Amino acid sequence: GENVEQHPSTLSVQEGDSAVIKCTYSDSASNYFPWYKQELGKRPQLIIDIRSNVGEKKDQRIAVTLNKTAKHFSLHITETQPEDSAVYFCAVGNSGGSNYKLTFGKGTLLTVNP
Amino acid sequence: EAGVAQSPRYKIIEKRQSVAFWCNPISGHATLYWYQQILGQGPKLLIQFQNNGVVDDSQLPKDRFSAERLKGVDSTLKIQPAKLEDSAVYLCASRARWNSPLHFGNGTRLTVT
Repeated sequence: GENVEQHPSTLSVQEGDSAVIKCTYSDSASNYFPWYKQELGKRPQLIIDIRSNVGEKKDQRIAVTLNKTAKHFSLHITETQPEDSAVYFCAVGNSGGSNYKLTFGKGTLLTVNP
Repeated sequence: EAGVAQSPRYKIIEKRQSVAFWCNPISGHATLYWYQQILGQGPKLLIQFQNNGVVDDSQLPKDRFSAERLKGVDSTLKIQPAKLEDSAVYLCASRARWNSPLHFGNGTRLTVT
């Protein structure tokens, strides 16, 4: 099955700095790469996703880049704010067909210090 | 639109007892998932339903876990008997179509003592 590695497990930055979280995956057939943000005690919420026919996607302060050849993708958060503090999960899936499922990384605890 | 509903929110049981969780997906979402999230880890898929049929239950510990989705709408996940290592948050998620994102419920936090 799919194997997803996520690094780092914890990340502490100063407010206004950038944060980068990286994930690698094993299945070259995977074609869907979402990122979820989970605040303490709350549900995971989709913040951005990218499909394999796109190399980069940006939404305000958040961007995701994908290198299909190397099988890795990254989340970039610029101008971090204290409310960005949360656990971030990458996930990998195959968005075609009925047997669509997401395999998640172990998560990155991001702390933004004021 | 209303989100994915789960109940109960919290449950504390002793080992070897039984427990059941309920999930009501977003209206019209054909695909439903149960994930187990152990503290400090990412969600792990337990079972996937397409309407009322099981698509993938390869990671469901079938000796103690069972799930059903009668009528292709809401679903229940049961653990019988529970073990200490079952302590986790059980997340239900649903999606509308093959290319739409997953929507998660708030989860049920299970503590087995």
